[in-house]
Amino acid sequence: DIQMTQSPASLSASLGETVTIECRASEDIYNGLAWYQQKPGKSPQLLIYNANSLHTGVPSRFSGSGSGTQYSLKINSLQSEDVASYFCQQYYNYPPTFGGGTKLELK
Amino acid sequence: EVQLQESGPGLVKPSQSLSLTCSVTGYSITSNYWGWIRKFPGNKMEWMGYISYSGSTSYNPSLKSRISITRDTSKNQFFLQLNSVTTEDTATYYCARSPYSGDRYFDYWGQGVMVTVSS
Repeated sequence: DIQMTQSPASLSASLGETVTIECRASEDIYNGLAWYQQKPGKSPQLLIYNANSLHTGVPSRFSGSGSGTQYSLKINSLQSEDVASYFCQQYYNYPPTFGGGTKLELK
Repeated sequence: EVQLQESGPGLVKPSQSLSLTCSVTGYSITSNYWGWIRKFPGNKMEWMGYISYSGSTSYNPSLKSRISITRDTSKNQFFLQLNSVTTEDTATYYCARSPYSGDRYFDYWGQGVMVTVSS
């Protein structure tokens, strides 16, 4: 199975700040990567698929980038409603596997 | 709007079977792919398997022969059965939809149901 290493595990940032979360795959996943947001007690919400495609209805302050084994999620101008956990998932290889998650808090 | 809702017992005894239902509204399960994912205490997530629009299934090899995913198209529901559970199967279980393209990411999720395996 492809291992997904996500960093940092937790992050504290101020409103308006730009935040970046990284995911590293144990082998090339050819942009088969999704990012999700999960708030406490809520279901995960798809943010990004195909590494850089914004899912319908997701604010444009969210963006994804990367290639090969290295991918990142960027949140521009952090808003209070962005406080959540974020996790990545590769689906290029079978079985799909997930990163360990990043908990984002306000400073 | 596509909505998924998991249901089932919150407590299962070791060695017994875990059975969950995912009820889907706003979209037919005869389209797309429909999967089960679980999140363990400590936040590790595991894809368990899916059932396709045609009824074919695919499972995570880690679950070997313990897992079965079936469906009832008349009720627009699909089901998870996990046999011979142990305390390591304690997790929050989610059902989710994957797009018709076949890419195994998940564009709609249920709220999740917490299942504890304990005697």
